[in-house]
Amino acid sequence: GAGVSQTPSNKVTEKGKYVELRCDPISGHTALYWYRQSLGQGPEFLIYFQGTGAADDSGLPNDRFFAVRPEGSVSTLKIQRTERGDSAVYLCASSSGSEQYFGPGTRLTVT
Amino acid sequence: TQLLEQSPQFLSIQEGENLTVYCNSSSVFSSLQWYRQEPGEGPVLLVTVVTGGEVKKLKRLTFQFGDARKDSSLHITAAQPGDTGLYLCAGDWRGKLIFGQGTELSVKP
Repeated sequence: GAGVSQTPSNKVTEKGKYVELRCDPISGHTALYWYRQSLGQGPEFLIYFQGTGAADDSGLPNDRFFAVRPEGSVSTLKIQRTERGDSAVYLCASSSGSEQYFGPGTRLTVT
Repeated sequence: TQLLEQSPQFLSIQEGENLTVYCNSSSVFSSLQWYRQEPGEGPVLLVTVVTGGEVKKLKRLTFQFGDARKDSSLHITAAQPGDTGLYLCAGDWRGKLIFGQGTELSVKP
């Protein structure tokens, strides 16, 4: 079956702009996770959904970051007033149990 | 704050050599997972270890979970160029994964 998909694969934006990153999880997976990976580092947890609700958003760095999952499937990570420090690969993962399956990521570059 | 210290950060070896990657923490995790990541792709799960002292083998890869469930190791026997990639350990902390910094492995023919 299809794995986790993320769009776009690459996004270049100017400092101060708003961006949306989309994640389509594996069908039937109730849990969805967002991570951020900077160059040369391991992924860093941002937020996790169980169904439609955010079960843990403790990793969101500040109030410019927001994520939704309105129907318990697709999720969108929204970043307002982007800063150069937001440049990273944003990874999405989904799970139906203890194991998480990752998408290919969206590479965000803020110029 | 839960941290996983992974070492070494970089490893460059010749084909046929053996290697070990270490993952250490002061925190106890309910499980620990090892992933491999290639450029432009997301991490791919290799194994999950759950029980203290557990050893799992996946072909030439051997994974061990420490008795206290705070540390783990990955041992590769007779490395091959196809093993090249970023290896990540991750601890399960209340449903979310805490990752180590990764070990960039390069195996030269």
